[in-house]
Amino acid sequence: EVQLVESGGGLVQPGGSLRLSCAASGFTVSSNYMSWVRQAPGKGLEWVSLIENAGRTSYGGRTYYADSVKGRFTISRDNSKNTLYLQMNSLRAEDTAVYYCARNLCSSTSCYGGVDYWGQGTLVTVSS
Amino acid sequence: QSALTQPASVSGSPGQSITISCTGTSSDVGGYNYVSWYQQHPGKAPKLVIYDVSNRSSGVSNRFSGSKSGSTASLTISGLQTEDEADYFCSSYTSSSTVVFGGGTKVTVL
Repeated sequence: EVQLVESGGGLVQPGGSLRLSCAASGFTVSSNYMSWVRQAPGKGLEWVSLIENAGRTSYGGRTYYADSVKGRFTISRDNSKNTLYLQMNSLRAEDTAVYYCARNLCSSTSCYGGVDYWGQGTLVTVSS
Repeated sequence: QSALTQPASVSGSPGQSITISCTGTSSDVGGYNYVSWYQQHPGKAPKLVIYDVSNRSSGVSNRFSGSKSGSTASLTISGLQTEDEADYFCSSYTSSSTVVFGGGTKVTVL
C-alpha cells in the first residue's frame, strides 16, 4: 500500500528555516517524480516544487520550483531512507500553509499529467 | 505564472449534471494534454479524479469525465450525488516546466 507521511511542520519566525520530511512506503521515491503542494488556510492549492526520478544514476533528477519559492526552497531526497525533503529558508508570512507531499502519476506520455497519491499534510506557520 | 481560472461555485440538484470550467492560456492548458482535476473534501487531502485531460483515476466513478477545447478544460459530473459536494481544483503543466492550479470551485448539491 502506498503511503506518504509528512513531518517537520510547526511555528517559525519570519526569516527562519524549516525542513519538511515525507516518508514514503509501498514504492520507491527515487524511481518516481515527486511534488510538494501547499494550501494556505481557507485557500486553494499552490504547486511548490517537483523532483524528477533519478534515472539510471539513482542520484539524478532535475528539480523545478514555483517562482514564489525559487531561491529559498530546495527539494531533495534520501534514497536510503526512501524520504523526500523540502528545505525552506527565508520563510515569510505568506508561506504559511499546509504542505502536502505527493507522488506524480506517470502515464504512457508523461509524469506531469497528475498526482495520484498525497500525504495528510503538515502545517507550517510563519509568524512572530 | 497566473492561476488557472475556475468559477468560484457551481451547484446542482441530485441526479443532474454539472460542468466546471478551467481556463488557461496557450502556455499551459492550451499547449499540453496534461490537465488534471482533484476533489477535496473539508479537512482532507486532495484526491485525483482526472489526469491527462480525460483519463479517470483508478477507482473513480464513471460519472466523472474530463475534456478540453483550446485553452479551456472542463470537468463534468453526471448523476450528481450528495457525496460529490466538495471543492474541485484543476491543474496543468506549463511551458516553464512548472505546474499551475486553478483557484478552485465549490460544488454544492442542492
